[in-house]
Amino acid sequence: DIQMTQSPSSVSASVGDSVRITCRASQDISSSLGWYQQKPGKAPNLLIYSASSLQSGVPSRFSGSGSETYFTLTISSLQPEDVATYYCQQTDSFPLTFGGGTKVEIK
Amino acid sequence: EVQVLESGGDLVQPGESLRLSCEASGFSFSAYAMSWVRQAPGKGLEWVSAIDGDNRRGTHYADSVKGRFTISRDDFRNTLYLHMDSLRVDDTAVYYCVRPRVSLAGTRYFDPWGQGTLVTVSS
Repeated sequence: DIQMTQSPSSVSASVGDSVRITCRASQDISSSLGWYQQKPGKAPNLLIYSASSLQSGVPSRFSGSGSETYFTLTISSLQPEDVATYYCQQTDSFPLTFGGGTKVEIK
Repeated sequence: EVQVLESGGDLVQPGESLRLSCEASGFSFSAYAMSWVRQAPGKGLEWVSAIDGDNRRGTHYADSVKGRFTISRDDFRNTLYLHMDSLRVDDTAVYYCVRPRVSLAGTRYFDPWGQGTLVTVSS
């Protein structure tokens, strides 16, 4: 199985700051990576697919990059509504696997 | 509007069975592979199972549920199912029904998600 490791597990930043979350795969997954946002008490929401493609309706302050085993999600200017837990997911092969999550808070 | 609506969650005892349902609307259900993803209380996301679409019936399972859970679908009723046998305490979770963002085979990025249905396994 492909293991997905996210870091950090939590981050606290000020409104307007840039926030970067990383996700490492235990083997080469090409660009088969997605990012999800989950706000408290809600279902997850797809932000990024294929490592760097922005899902329709997602604000442009969210961006993704990376390939093979190393990926990043960047929030360019953190907003109060971005408080949430973020998960990466590999879609290269079954079983599909998620990272452990990164909780983003406002300082 | 594209929607998926889960039902069937309940409080059951260890060893019992339960069937979850997911009614889909607003899209061509038969064309899409479908999956179940779960989230234990206060924990992260865990993919559980997937079933192919387009009249192909290939299925996939997480090791943690293989041999105990069965995924199926009824394309006439636009409904996805998850039959769960030999339930364990660690199966306690919110179970989400999910659809890939596009119907292209092999696409496994999930959008939309349902609101989830809670399964609690406890004696």
